[in-house]
Amino acid sequence: VQLVESGGGLVKPGGSLTLSCAASGFTFTDYSLTWVRQAPGKGLEWVSSITTSGSYTYYADSVKGRFTTSRDNAKNSLYLQMNSLRAEDTAVYYCARDNIWFGEWWFDPWGQGTLVTVSS
Amino acid sequence: SSELTQDPAVSVALGQTVRITCQGDSLRSYSASWYQQKPRQAPVVVIYGKNNRPSGIPDRFSGSSSGNTASLTITGAQAEDEADYYCSSRDSSGYHLVFGTGTKVTVL
Repeated sequence: VQLVESGGGLVKPGGSLTLSCAASGFTFTDYSLTWVRQAPGKGLEWVSSITTSGSYTYYADSVKGRFTTSRDNAKNSLYLQMNSLRAEDTAVYYCARDNIWFGEWWFDPWGQGTLVTVSS
Repeated sequence: SSELTQDPAVSVALGQTVRITCQGDSLRSYSASWYQQKPRQAPVVVIYGKNNRPSGIPDRFSGSSSGNTASLTITGAQAEDEADYYCSSRDSSGYHLVFGTGTKVTVL
């Protein structure tokens, strides 16, 4: 079971970037997926989640209206389209597989993360 | 939105027991999960659904909860347990997730 993020880099404030997460080793369509970020030296922040079919997406207030999560089940891939980027979006972005059991919700496994830096 | 509060740092002598707490209103309705994060590594779940350990997690890790407080206990702490620990739970809406502020555990 593996998740591998890509697409991070340096982008100017107001710019856009798309992150990808390639999944392997499990039945992709059986799991919801989530993006979590961590600013340098800071804690974890839940960003967004998407259901198995992609029909439903959920966003933190801090990114709602600027970020869009999607998935391509044929390619076993998850995406995070980030627009109108701000300095405070600078973080390592992790993708993670959702595990849900009787209402309990946890993430396992996580990818290794990809760094997004928003700076002029 | 919901908040989960943790003590910023705790220390424990090698082989002793340490309890990390997580407080928040959402914990009255939802169970906490716990993640361990070592420097420059992705988080790893150590407890989910209040007190369930994934395979490969030592049984010295355990979880409990009461009211608005969830706890992670490390019984017989080892040097390799030195890390940051984060709790998480659903927020009051049930559709979003919130992480705790994190606790840095130092093993002396």
